[in-house]
Amino acid sequence: GAVVSQHPSWVICKSGTSVKIECRSLDFQATTMFWYRQFPKQSLMLMATSNEGSKATYEQGVEKDKFLINHASLTLSTLTVTSAHPEDSSFYICSARGVLAGGYNEQFFGPGTRLTVL
Amino acid sequence: KNEVEQSPQNLTAQEGEFITINCSYSVGISALHWLQQHPGGGIVSLFMLSSGKKKHGRLIATINIQEKHSSLHITASHPRDSAVYICAVIQGAQKLVFGQGTRLTINP
Repeated sequence: GAVVSQHPSWVICKSGTSVKIECRSLDFQATTMFWYRQFPKQSLMLMATSNEGSKATYEQGVEKDKFLINHASLTLSTLTVTSAHPEDSSFYICSARGVLAGGYNEQFFGPGTRLTVL
Repeated sequence: KNEVEQSPQNLTAQEGEFITINCSYSVGISALHWLQQHPGGGIVSLFMLSSGKKKHGRLIATINIQEKHSSLHITASHPRDSAVYICAVIQGAQKLVFGQGTRLTINP
């Protein structure tokens, strides 16, 4: 099946630094990518939706200047957490949607990136 | 009340038992996902369905659009099935609305 990868799988950084997380669709072209955040024992919360070549659409309450999303190609989206603070520590998951062989529009999830801000 | 409700929230069973996890939703949807999240965090999409029934190995998913209800069944459950199972509905063109998840533990 289609695969979505994320890099890094985990990162620890100091407060005030910026962290970039990459999300790649490995064997299909992702017309839309989604970024989610998940706190312990809670469900996924959608942060933003990005379409290739256009600006991301952020959910209410998500600061677009703090969580920069770039979807430069049909296989790559990046999320940059700028000036990270301990409260940004979370599990970040990307998801990619595209049309696979057979014409089916499906959505696949990446393995997630655990961010810890000290 | 959440738009997507799952039951039970926690389920513990013995290896070999037949497992059912339920999902009810209150909004119009175009399709529904069943997702599996292991303790490491990674999410795997098990099924996406918009009508009827799908089967993959020991897993079966059904959906009743009129009743706004879906079920995930696991036959001959195994400890490796232990995970959080999440129901997510697709609203509109692409927005996913997630249930709170069902934590399944299968004891040997």
